Parts: sequence; C-alpha cells; structure tokens
Amino acid sequence: AQSVTQLDSHVSVSEGTPVLLRCNYSSSYSPSLFWYVQHPNKGLQLLLKYTSAATLVKGINGFEAEFKKSETSFHLTKPSAHMSDAAEYFCVVSRGSSYKLIFGSGTRLLVRP
Amino acid sequence: EAQVTQNPRYLITVTGKKLTVTCSQNMNHEYMSWYRQDPGLGLRQIYYSMNVEVTDKGDVPEGYKVSRKEKRNFPLILESPSPNQTSLYFCASSSVTGGYGYTFGSGTRLTVV
Repeated sequence: AQSVTQLDSHVSVSEGTPVLLRCNYSSSYSPSLFWYVQHPNKGLQLLLKYTSAATLVKGINGFEAEFKKSETSFHLTKPSAHMSDAAEYFCVVSRGSSYKLIFGSGTRLLVRP
Repeated sequence: EAQVTQNPRYLITVTGKKLTVTCSQNMNHEYMSWYRQDPGLGLRQIYYSMNVEVTDKGDVPEGYKVSRKEKRNFPLILESPSPNQTSLYFCASSSVTGGYGYTFGSGTRLTVV
C-alpha cells in the first residue's frame, strides 16, 4: 500500500530564510511524487514532480525537492522564503503511471516579515 | 487556456435535497477524478474515471454518484446530501499516464445544513 506522511502540520519561517517541508512516503512500487501548493481560497497548483528521472527536481518559484530512496523521503526546500510563499503544501504519491493520487495531510507554511 | 472548470464555487443546501456539481476540462484528458478536502485529512478520492463510460470508486464514495457520458465532463451527484458531506470538493484531470501532473479545478465549497 502507498502512503505519504508530512512530518509537520505547521512551519513558520522569517522572510529571506530557508524553507524545509518534510515528506516521507511508503510505496511498494516505483513511485511518482509531487508537491502541490494551495493558496487561501484557491485550487491546487503543481510545484514539481519526480517520475524516476533526476533525483533533484526543480520546480516553480524557486522550490526544489530531492528524492532519497534510502530514506524514503521527498523533502521540499527553498533557499529564501518570500511572503507570497505562505500557503498550504501537499506532498503526493502515485504508483508509477498510476491514475491514483495519495495526499499527505498538508503543511501550512507561515512566513513572518 | 487549459483548465478544469467547476461550478458552482460555493453552495449551501439543505439535507436531502439532490444536487450536482459540474466539472469540465478542455485538455482532452482521459482521466478525471473527484476529491474532497477536510481539515487535517488532506484530499481523499471520491470517484475516478479512466475514460467515457468507465468509472470506479475511490476511497470515500459513500453518498456520491458520478457519470462520464462525454470525455470533457464529469459531474458529481449527491442524491441525498447530509451534513457530513460539508466539505471542499476538487475535480482533477490528467492524461492517462499521470506523469505530467494533474490539473485541478478551483474547488466547490459545499455546506449542507
């Protein structure tokens, strides 16, 4: 069975400091992994995806994530937080080319001025 | 513009009154799905469809129906809504492989009183 665990429900950083949102996954198959962002009262936007190519994945708005099979992790990072990054972030796993997405419970990122 | 369109954005209804939430995509995607989002639970899949006339249950299908008579449309039907179906609903679509990520609608906030 597949599952995904986001280790922090809330993360608070100061503007200009690094962001780290942690995600661990469980999958019996070669997974596809995604990070989505949801701004208040908005839909979900794809930040980046891993589909068995390069393990370091670059996404939009300066975010990147590294797939570490040995640690079953797919943490999301950004070198310098911006106020506009305040949102909820979801780590998502699917089984290879499977149709089904399994969502983590989300991490709410707060950026302090 | 490639998009998934849901209507309505907001809906307040009474227990037992049948309702339909519409979803339409203009990307010729084979795969479509409905999710509900509840605080602390992330998104959970209700139903999905691999193509026209092909639908199947997701993780939380009770109380919902769907149909896929045309490739672009995938309505969600609540025959007899109950208060525990108060939630934020998202429709999503993807090419069959899913490796390119999923496109989500803007959401429908449903309140059942």
